[in-house]
This record gives sequence, structure tokens and C-alpha cells, in this order.
Amino acid sequence: SQTIHQWPATLVQPVGSPLSLECTVEGTSNPNLYWYRQAAGRGLQLLFYSVGIGQISSEVPQNLSASRPQDRQFILSSKKLLLSDSGFYLCAWSDNYGYTFGSGTRLTVV
Amino acid sequence: GEDVEQSLFLSVREGDSSVINCTYTDSSSTYLYWYKQEPGAGLQLLTYIFSNMDMKQDQRLTVLLNKKDKHLSLRIADTQTGDSAIYFCAESGGATNKLIFGTGTLLAVQP
Repeated sequence: SQTIHQWPATLVQPVGSPLSLECTVEGTSNPNLYWYRQAAGRGLQLLFYSVGIGQISSEVPQNLSASRPQDRQFILSSKKLLLSDSGFYLCAWSDNYGYTFGSGTRLTVV
Repeated sequence: GEDVEQSLFLSVREGDSSVINCTYTDSSSTYLYWYKQEPGAGLQLLTYIFSNMDMKQDQRLTVLLNKKDKHLSLRIADTQTGDSAIYFCAESGGATNKLIFGTGTLLAVQP
């Protein structure tokens, strides 16, 4: 069966520190992968998507970057976090049959 | 570009019907979805509709799609307090199959 693992579930980081959120997918090959962010009291914003290894598209200019080093691994990173990077980050994958979301990471930048 | 809009808040009494509305701009959307997000939790897919359908019913949920007006609605019959959550509509389509979300509607169910 297809599953998606996202960790950590919660994270508190100081301003200026680096970030690495990891997402891995099982039970499927060559999925489309996505990173979404939900800021407090706001909707879901698509940050990055990837249609294959090493292929990353950015939807909005920001302080974050994404990488896909393996087919089923998607990483969200930052070199120096800003207060405005706080939010709920969701990883997702899709194939012809629909979308599956991870359980999310709640990031608080202090 | 793609844009999906929803009203921010809806309050109903327990037992009444709830109708959550959504408008979108991308005429090439293939699928339209409704997701539920409970406090502090991830996204739960409630239902979806293919763009060539007008209506889909699934137990207490009815989805109506007016493709001409690019309007999607979710009706919840006999709304319960457990239905209190944020509801997101979303649309997808195109080669990348990106899922574009609306702003979310907070549904508050009063006992």
C-alpha cells in the first residue's frame, strides 16, 4: 500500500538557523511530489512541486528551497529561517489515482 | 493563473444543512476536491468530482459543480458538531497535476 512519511511532527527553531524537513513515499514509483505551507489562519499555498528526480519547480519566491535526491524523497530546506517561515508544512504526492498528504510538520520560528 | 476562492466562515445549527461554496478560474481543471482539516490535524479527502459531472452524492455529502460558472459547492446534510472544521476546495489538472487550494471555510456547528 502507498504511504507517505513526513517528519518531524513539530519543530521550534530560532531565527537564522537552518531547516531540513524530509518526506518519503512508499508503494509507488515516479510520483509527483509537492510541498505546501499553511500559515496561521490562512489557506494552503503550494511552495514546490517535482515531477521527477532533480526536477523542482518553485511556485512562489521565498526563503526556502526543495530537493529531490531520490525518486521517493522530497526535502524542504532553508539556510537561514525567518519568522515568516512559521507555519504548517504538508508534503503530498499524486499519481493518476489522486493525492495523498503527509501528516504535516508544524514549524515555529522564534 | 489559477485562483480558488471561498468564503471564510459559516455557522450553522446542529441538524441543519451546511452549504460551502467555492469558485475557481482554471477552465482546464480535471478534478475538483473537498478536503476537511480538523484543528491541529492534516488534510482528509472528503470527496471529489470529475469535471464532466454535475453532481456527486456520498452519504451526507453532496457536491454540485456548475462548470459554466466555475462554481463548486459542498452540502452537508444533518450537520453534526463533529463536522466543525476547515473545509478546503481544490482543483487540479494539466501535465503537472498541481493541486491548487482555496482559502478554506471555517464551519462552526452550534449545538
